[in-house]
Amino acid sequence: GAVVSQHPSWVICKSGTSVKIECRSLDFQATTMFWYRQFPKQSLMLMATSNEGSKATYEQGVEKDKFLINHASLTLSTLTVTSAHPEDSSFYICSARDPDFSSYNSPLHFGNGTRLTVT
Amino acid sequence: AQSVAQPEDQVNVAEGNPLTVKCTYSVSGNPYLFWYVQYPNRGLQFLLKYITGDNLVKGSYGFEAEFNKSQTSFHLKKPSALVSDSALYFCAVRDIPDKLIFGTGTRLQVFP
Repeated sequence: GAVVSQHPSWVICKSGTSVKIECRSLDFQATTMFWYRQFPKQSLMLMATSNEGSKATYEQGVEKDKFLINHASLTLSTLTVTSAHPEDSSFYICSARDPDFSSYNSPLHFGNGTRLTVT
Repeated sequence: AQSVAQPEDQVNVAEGNPLTVKCTYSVSGNPYLFWYVQYPNRGLQFLLKYITGDNLVKGSYGFEAEFNKSQTSFHLKKPSALVSDSALYFCAVRDIPDKLIFGTGTRLQVFP
């Protein structure tokens, strides 16, 4: 089946630095990828929709200058947390739509997530 | 706006017993509903979905869900729980145009 690979699985960085998280679709092309953020013991919050070759669509309340998304190819989307602060510490998960389904009701395939800790 | 609610933070069940994880929905138009499971420090795995058709939907790992329009519910069920089913379960609904809205999650704990 379709696999989404996310890297790194965990990262610790100092406050003020930037961190890049990669999301790759293996063996399939993903024109659209989704970035979620999950707080401890809480649900997933959609941050943005990443569109290959165009600008990402951010959800209300998500700072686009802080969470930079680039989807330069059909198999790679990146999320860069710029000038990270401790409150950015969270679990970030990317996903892509199942390529075997063409409709919006096809299931999403998720990466294994990236746990970011900002010290 | 579309939404789903999972009224239970945690469900405890003994191994071998049937389990139910509850989900109710609020949508305008036809509901497109999903169940996902998350194991610790991992992404989510798709279990099943309801788009149209039979109200009883069968999914992965022996799970099934019953769509009930009159009660606006989409409860996840399994006839006989396994310890390995212990995980975090999310109900989700498709929102326009192309995204999933997740519930708050229910932690399932299956005791041996």
